[in-house]
Amino acid sequence: GAGVSQSPRYKVAKRGQDVALRCDPISGHVSLFWYQQALGQGPEFLTYFQNEAQLDKSGLPSDRFFAERPEGSVSTLKIQRTQQEDSAVYLCASSGAYEQYFGPGTRLTVT
Amino acid sequence: DAKTTQPNSMESNEEEPVHLPCNHSTISGTDYIHWYRQLPSQGPEYVIHGLTSNVNNRMASLAIAEDRKSSTLILHRATLRDAAVYYCILSGRSGNTPLVFGKGTRLSVIA
Repeated sequence: GAGVSQSPRYKVAKRGQDVALRCDPISGHVSLFWYQQALGQGPEFLTYFQNEAQLDKSGLPSDRFFAERPEGSVSTLKIQRTQQEDSAVYLCASSGAYEQYFGPGTRLTVT
Repeated sequence: DAKTTQPNSMESNEEEPVHLPCNHSTISGTDYIHWYRQLPSQGPEYVIHGLTSNVNNRMASLAIAEDRKSSTLILHRATLRDAAVYYCILSGRSGNTPLVFGKGTRLSVIA
């Protein structure tokens, strides 16, 4: 079956631009997670949804980061006024019974 | 968050068994031991998880020490496609909890 998909796969933004990253979870999965992965590091948790409710956003690094999941399926991670330190791979995951299924990630490069 | 300790890197010959160790001396009674791996340019993928007893699935085996302070992921016959970063993570039973990744172990497989 279809897995988690993310778009775009690659995004180059000039410093100060806003970006929007999309995640399509596995159909029927209630929980959805966003992670940020810097080069050479493990993924770090950003935020978590259960259906449309954002239950935990403790990992969002600043108020420039905003995530939504208005209808409980597709989610968007928005970064306003991008900075160079935002350059990373952004991973989305949706959860099954005991495991998380990850998408391929969006590689964001801020120049 | 509970922490795990893994070697930075390991190397294996193709078609030989690989034992990837993980120390988790501060594990709590309700923590499950999860393993994920991340192939190059992909998102992490679930490998296996367990609580107390050793576990086997089609990908790997998980051996858990009697005191639960350490565990070992066993790949019975390494292939070139097993070259990846392997993460040992302590988490709840279900997939509905944010995962806390460390740096993992980078496994290289030599033909």
